[in-house]
This record gives sequence, structure tokens and C-alpha cells, in this order.
Amino acid sequence: EIVLTQSPATLSLSPGERATLSCRASQSVSSYLAWYQQKPGQAPRLLIYDASNRATGIPARFSGSGSGTDFTLTISSLEPEDFAVYYCQQRSNWPPGTFGQGTKLEIK
Amino acid sequence: QVQLVESGGGLVKPGGSLRLSCAASGFTFSDYYMSWIRQAPGKGLEWVSYISSSGSTIYYADSVKGRFTISRDNAKNSLYLQMNSLRAEDTAVYYCARDLRIAGRGVYFDYWGQGTLVTVSS
Repeated sequence: EIVLTQSPATLSLSPGERATLSCRASQSVSSYLAWYQQKPGQAPRLLIYDASNRATGIPARFSGSGSGTDFTLTISSLEPEDFAVYYCQQRSNWPPGTFGQGTKLEIK
Repeated sequence: QVQLVESGGGLVKPGGSLRLSCAASGFTFSDYYMSWIRQAPGKGLEWVSYISSSGSTIYYADSVKGRFTISRDNAKNSLYLQMNSLRAEDTAVYYCARDLRIAGRGVYFDYWGQGTLVTVSS
């Protein structure tokens, strides 16, 4: 089973700053990686799929990059509504569709 | 608009059973693969089970294999999860989720329900 490790566990930034979140896979997942955003009390929302494709309705400030084992989610300029928990998920070794443990993006 | 509405959660004793339902609307349910994903309180996401559009292909996480059964009724636009031999570690919010449906192996989840809480405790 592929293990996804996200870093950092918590990221403290201010609105307007750039956020860079990392997801590392225990073996190559090619480009088969997605990112989700989850706010308290809500279901996750798909942001990015296949490493770099924005899902429908996702603002352009969200971008994804990477392939193989190392992936990055970048939020170019943080808006107040972006503070949430972010998860990566792989579909290369399916099943199972493993998730990372999450990165909490909090307001500094 | 796409809607997924889970129901059936609640408090159950260890060893007990529960059946979750997910009512789908706003899309052609029979065209989509579906999954159940759970989240223990304060924890991350764990994929639980998957069913193909026709129901012919089913997968389970090792943690629930032999205890949970996924099924669907395309005529009723509904997804189900029968959970037997429940354990304390099954306590979680259970989400049903739709597959994004793009080329390539495996699935991503583009729409999620609001979740239903299952608590396993004596």
C-alpha cells in the first residue's frame, strides 16, 4: 500500500501570503494525485486532480505540481476562506485510494 | 445540482449492525462509480469501499473486509453500506462520494455528501 506523507502538519500564514503544501508518496504514483480542502464541519472538496488539473469552479490561485513521488499544492495569495485542512490522495495503486494525513493551514 | 444525502447513522453497541444509505440526485446515478469514505473524530480520511456503476466490481479496505457490504440500487438512485460486527474503531463520520470519472485507473471523489455519524460504544 502506498503511503502519502504530507508536510508540514500545520502551516501558519497570513492572508495575502503564498502557501506551499507538500505531499510525498512512498513509491511513484505517476501523476495520479489529487488535493482536497476540508473546512470544519464540512465534507472535503476536490481542488486538483492528476497533480495539476483544477477541478470545476476552483479559483486560479490554487495550483498543483509534481510527479512521481513529490507533489506540491500552491495557493498563490491566501484568502480568508482558504484556511482549512488539505489532504492529498492517490489513485495510482487502486484500491485502496489512500489519503495523506492532512496539513492544517491556519491564520497567523 | 448534484446532491448526495447520507442517512442511517447512530449509536450502536460493539458487535452490532447498521445500514447506511446515500440518496443521489442531480445526475445520472447509474453512470457513476461510488464510494464510502470515513473520518474518525479529529482524524484524517479513510477510503472504505467502492462499487462500479453496474455493481459488478466491488472493493473494500482491509479494515472492513468481511464485515461491511456495499451495494446500490440504480432504480432508486441509492447507495448502501451494510455494516456488521461493528467495533469501536469504526466510529466515524461516513461520507458517500461520487467518482470524478476521468480516464486512467482508480478514482477521485468530486462530490461528497454531508456525512452521517456512526458511533460504536457500549
